[in-house]
Amino acid sequence: TQLLEQSPQFLSIQEGENLTVYCNSSSVFSSLQWYRQEPGEGPVLLVTVVTGGEVKKLKRLTFQFGDARKDSSLHITAAQPGDTGLYLCAGAPGDYKLSFGAGTTVTVRA
Amino acid sequence: GAGVSQSPSNKVTEKGKDVELRCDPISGHTALYWYRQSLGQGLEFLIYFQGNSAPDKSGLPSDRFSAERTGGSVSTLTIQRTQQEDSAVYLCASSWTPGAYEQYFGPGTRLTVT
Repeated sequence: TQLLEQSPQFLSIQEGENLTVYCNSSSVFSSLQWYRQEPGEGPVLLVTVVTGGEVKKLKRLTFQFGDARKDSSLHITAAQPGDTGLYLCAGAPGDYKLSFGAGTTVTVRA
Repeated sequence: GAGVSQSPSNKVTEKGKDVELRCDPISGHTALYWYRQSLGQGLEFLIYFQGNSAPDKSGLPSDRFSAERTGGSVSTLTIQRTQQEDSAVYLCASSWTPGAYEQYFGPGTRLTVT
């Protein structure tokens, strides 16, 4: 059983469309991170959120951390083919271990 | 600066053979982690090293798996008597301090056991 549940598992959209990926848990996390992983590479950190209700923007990407610090979402506006990849959320319950979700595979078609 | 490096990038081995996977963390990073990523799955924590402290081995799936970190830098993950279910991508990550939120990952070693 995954501590963090991500949905959807797969997402295929046309260039220019918007998308949202969700990361949910019944556990509270001191911080939550989003990574993007491309084939043959390791995950690359996109953002860390630490405060309940926090919203962070990174160009066309918007990240939210739930008020109760149990869930998060990633919204991409006007998706581009370069956004294609596996998006992983990871939560830190309070120590050094990260618990990862199974990931959402995003494909943006040109 | 140089990122986390791992070698080999790909390893194909026969069932029952031993394999060694190497990780070279970012210089100055005190914490080092090993994860396993199976197809369609998230990252599974294997082991954590911090300085001279005893490593956290709680994620190792069996006693066939072991890891060491020499001189607080390079780490080697060893899998003895490999099984087909060991086939996965093995990822190494490092961070500045223990409990640091940001972990920096290497490209991984894809292990295939035939």
